[in-house]
Amino acid sequence: NAGVTQTPKFRILKIGQSMTLQCTQDMNHNYMYWYRQDPGMGLKLIYYSVGAGITDKGEVPNGYNVSRSTTEDFPLRLELAAPSQTSVYFCASSWQLGTDTQYFGPGTRLTVL
Amino acid sequence: RKEVEQDPGPFNVPEGATVAFNCTYSNSASQSFFWYRQDCRKEPKLLMSVYSSGNEDGRFTAQLNRASQYISLLIRDSKLSDSATYLCVVNEDNFNKFYFGSGTKLNVKP
Repeated sequence: NAGVTQTPKFRILKIGQSMTLQCTQDMNHNYMYWYRQDPGMGLKLIYYSVGAGITDKGEVPNGYNVSRSTTEDFPLRLELAAPSQTSVYFCASSWQLGTDTQYFGPGTRLTVL
Repeated sequence: RKEVEQDPGPFNVPEGATVAFNCTYSNSASQSFFWYRQDCRKEPKLLMSVYSSGNEDGRFTAQLNRASQYISLLIRDSKLSDSATYLCVVNEDNFNKFYFGSGTKLNVKP
């Protein structure tokens, strides 16, 4: 199993550009999450999904959108990139809510200039 | 007030030393607790869950103190490979309330 994969690994955007961060898991997990991690800080939950077609906001959803059309894929969309969105983005998945191990992808390092 | 607070360190210890980290949480209704390990520029990986009765996994021991609202991680016989940042994670009773601490950095030196 590849686990959780993310693309791209790195990206530089200009202010106002848009992009989609891809996340795929092959463990048949229902639950998927997007986090951002700023330098020297903990991870903050952006959005999560409890299954195909069901998503909800986390702690810091502004400026982002998600969709979940399949169990495997959970893309994160940035519509109008801003410098405040410069961060490392991690996608994760788990079998169960809350109490279960989350498996993380390798991350996407995004810089907005 | 932050939901989860950790001493950022760094903790610089020699090989073979015993080191302990604490993590405090603000919401007494918190349900689940974890320690994750994060290597430099890598993704977090689960180190261990923290149970009410405490739990041990080899050289690692985790404890929960609900009365004082903190969890701890003890590492015995430190190895060079233990050098990493240790993240405390707390889950509250609603699913989307899942809080990560900013991490405690450990450097184990020869």
